[in-house]
Amino acid sequence: GAVVSQHPSWVICKSGTSVKIECRSLDFQATTMFWYRQFPKQSLMLMATSNEGSKATYEQGVEKDKFLINHASLTLSTLTVTSAHPEDSSFYICSARDHGQGGFYEQYFGPGTRLTVT
Amino acid sequence: AQSVSQHNHHVILSEAASLELGCNYSYGGTVNLFWYVQYPGQHLQLLLKYFSGDPLVKGIKGFEAEFIKSKFSFNLRKPSVQWSDTAEYFCAVNGRGSTLGRLYFGRGTQLTVWP
Repeated sequence: GAVVSQHPSWVICKSGTSVKIECRSLDFQATTMFWYRQFPKQSLMLMATSNEGSKATYEQGVEKDKFLINHASLTLSTLTVTSAHPEDSSFYICSARDHGQGGFYEQYFGPGTRLTVT
Repeated sequence: AQSVSQHNHHVILSEAASLELGCNYSYGGTVNLFWYVQYPGQHLQLLLKYFSGDPLVKGIKGFEAEFIKSKFSFNLRKPSVQWSDTAEYFCAVNGRGSTLGRLYFGRGTQLTVWP
């Protein structure tokens, strides 16, 4: 099956610094990737939809200047948390959508990145 | 508005008991339906999916789900659970006509199976 990787798997940073998280589709090309945030014991919250070669589409309430998304190639999307604060500590998950035909799309999920801001 | 409801937040069962997790959705259009599982400390994995055809779909590890269009439901079942089924289960839906394939998730059901 399709594999999506994330790097790093765990990162600790100081308040005020920026952190970049990479999401890669390893064996398929993904024109569309999604970034989620998951709080403990809660569901996944979609933050933004990342399209290769164009600007990301952010969900309501998500600060686009704080969570910078770049989808520069068909296999790589990055999420940069700028000027991180402790409340940004969370589990960030990406997914990549396959080339489904006729609307039969499936998403493949990365293993997630645990961000802790001190 | 699109939404997914999972009615059971935490289910506790003994091994060999039967399982049914409820999932109802609200979506204006034809849908694809999914169940994902997240084992402790691991990432989301697809259990099963429904795109079209037979509304009773079988997935991995003995799980199955039935799509009942009239009830907007896609309940997950397993006849006999094991301790290793302890995990968080998420129901999700996307629109067949959506060009992005964006998923809408339920809030999840924590399943705890006692040996």
